[in-house]
Amino acid sequence: GQNIDQPTEMTATEGAIVQINCTYQTSGFNGLFWYQQHAGEAPTFLSYNVLDGLEEKGRFSSFLSRSKGYSYLLLKELQMKDSASYLCAALDSNYQLIWGAGTKLIIKP
Amino acid sequence: GAVVSQHPSWVICKSGTSVKIECRSLDFQATTMFWYRQFPKQSLMLMATSNEGSKATYEQGVEKDKFLINHASLTLSTLTVTSAHPEDSSFYICSARSSGFDADTQYFGPGTRLTVL
Repeated sequence: GQNIDQPTEMTATEGAIVQINCTYQTSGFNGLFWYQQHAGEAPTFLSYNVLDGLEEKGRFSSFLSRSKGYSYLLLKELQMKDSASYLCAALDSNYQLIWGAGTKLIIKP
Repeated sequence: GAVVSQHPSWVICKSGTSVKIECRSLDFQATTMFWYRQFPKQSLMLMATSNEGSKATYEQGVEKDKFLINHASLTLSTLTVTSAHPEDSSFYICSARSSGFDADTQYFGPGTRLTVL
């Protein structure tokens, strides 16, 4: 079956760095997405990785290892507004997104 | 770029009525649109995939006669919840995938919160 695993909840301190891990098992693979979702709002696109390696975009970076079926989202210089759920989603061979349950990130002052 | 709108943002209706939700891609052509529902504190659940000009593909367990989807143009898809009941109360979110740039990326609308009394 197809499966995405990510931690349910993480807590970090304002100004610190946090890494949110995601492992995936899918029928075929065409890329890995990270989305941010604030409570009561729709997801917003953060990143897309299809090749191995690290993609940096401002305070957020995303890493992919296709051989390990593993990705992480790295958030630096955390701000209170980064408190949200972070959704990992893998694109399978049919170009359908397989969603993780999301990681709720709590930022403390 | 890549803006998706949804209308209405929220709707309250009586049980037994039908509700139509619109999803529009504002600055790109969306060959494929997706409809999700999300219950509180749960992840997104894909309901159906619609391609412009063809019938929608529904996920297992989603009643196609209850959730009518029309994707009449490259910028508009509609979801009609027919004979809504309280258990249909949920957050409905659409997303659109472009035929051009970022062809694999889904961009989400702001969502529609449906409450059925």
